[in-house]
Amino acid sequence: GESVGLHLPTLSVQEGDNSIINCAYSNSASDYFIWYKQESGKGPQFIIDIRSNMDKRQGQRVTVLLNKTVKHLSLQIAATQPGDSAVYFCAENDQGGSEKLVFGKGTKLTVNP
Amino acid sequence: GAVVSQHPSWVICKSGTSVKIECRSLDFQATTMFWYRQFPKQSLMLMATSNEGSKATYEQGVEKDKFLINHASLTLSTLTVTSAHPEDSSFYICSATGLAGGLWYEQYFGPGTRLTVT
Repeated sequence: GESVGLHLPTLSVQEGDNSIINCAYSNSASDYFIWYKQESGKGPQFIIDIRSNMDKRQGQRVTVLLNKTVKHLSLQIAATQPGDSAVYFCAENDQGGSEKLVFGKGTKLTVNP
Repeated sequence: GAVVSQHPSWVICKSGTSVKIECRSLDFQATTMFWYRQFPKQSLMLMATSNEGSKATYEQGVEKDKFLINHASLTLSTLTVTSAHPEDSSFYICSATGLAGGLWYEQYFGPGTRLTVT
């Protein structure tokens, strides 16, 4: 069945370092991917998305890389700040008309001052 | 971005009672709303997809008679947990999306509702 998973459940970095959060997916039909940030007790917050016709997309301090060959997605956060501490989820959608998202397991990012 | 609200933000109820959670899209018309459940330290699990004016579509393993969903308008969907039990205690999150100009909006998530059943 469909599944979206993460390689690392936790990640601890020093303030100012770059962070890389990884995600593997298994549905080759997925053509839209999103990264969400979830702070404790809150709903997911959209960070950045990418469609399958791209392999890289940049936002403010964040970059998403997509490798369709190995079905791998990553989120890079530059100059990580304490406010970046949260759980990060990748999600996929096959745009089959249902708009359903399948979420990965999540990675908890802790930024140490 | 668009705003989705949920009410209440937290609720405590006794076992056997029912509780209703509201999800509202505040500044756009949501043709589709999704309901998720999230247990501590776990990911979001989709429970059901709710389309305005029609019956909700439930994911496998989700009891439709226990989790009643009503999407009566383009800005409101409700989730009623009937005969709640302690194992229903969880964080319930809704999201909303809509179609405009032939393009889907991204999904906008609500802040979640913490349900505790005693």
